[in-house]
Amino acid sequence: RKEVEQDPGPFNVPEGATVAFNCTYSNSASQSFFWYRQDCRKEPKLLMSVYSSGNEDGRFTAQLNRASQYISLLIRDSKLSDSATYLCVVSRGTALIFGKGTTLSVSS
Amino acid sequence: DAGVTQSPTHLIKTRGQQVTLRCSPKSGHDTVSWYQQALGQGPQFIFQYYEEEERQRGNFPDRFSGHQFPNYSSELNVNALLLGDSALYLCASAPGRDYGYTFGSGTRLTVV
Repeated sequence: RKEVEQDPGPFNVPEGATVAFNCTYSNSASQSFFWYRQDCRKEPKLLMSVYSSGNEDGRFTAQLNRASQYISLLIRDSKLSDSATYLCVVSRGTALIFGKGTTLSVSS
Repeated sequence: DAGVTQSPTHLIKTRGQQVTLRCSPKSGHDTVSWYQQALGQGPQFIFQYYEEEERQRGNFPDRFSGHQFPNYSSELNVNALLLGDSALYLCASAPGRDYGYTFGSGTRLTVV
């Protein structure tokens, strides 16, 4: 079983749609959780950290369920510029362990 | 303020050869991690260097080795290249043992 699992998609949505990505992780010792964004042929960039209490950054909301080892990302009012691959990331020690990524394509 | 700098940007090597990739961390960062990203996959953790020592290692063979210098820059060496080593190699740096990683734009290695 992979340490971080995501549905690879692609998710094809119209502008203005709400879309949710899910991720599960297998290492119960993981302490820190993140969502990264990666544009085509570019490096990953931190989108947001994920906390058990849930956290929001503008149109983006992240949730963590430690009991179920489940992480989610909700994007509201999707924009064309949100088209990218979204990577679920958990810590192992001080290293980052990435999922395969979920591809989002937003169309007009 | 320069971010993470990697060189070269692209490289073509033949099977069996050896390659060295280089990384200069962001100013103020002293931890360097290396990742391999194959096409269509997420980045896979290779190893992490801090205080010139390998601190953590992912599931990669001994053909993959590294080094960190006193100025915190780092090298990734891959020996006996295989076709399957073709990938984007990413370097990421962070301050101390924090998770505030900044990624470089990577070195795209093609093995033929």
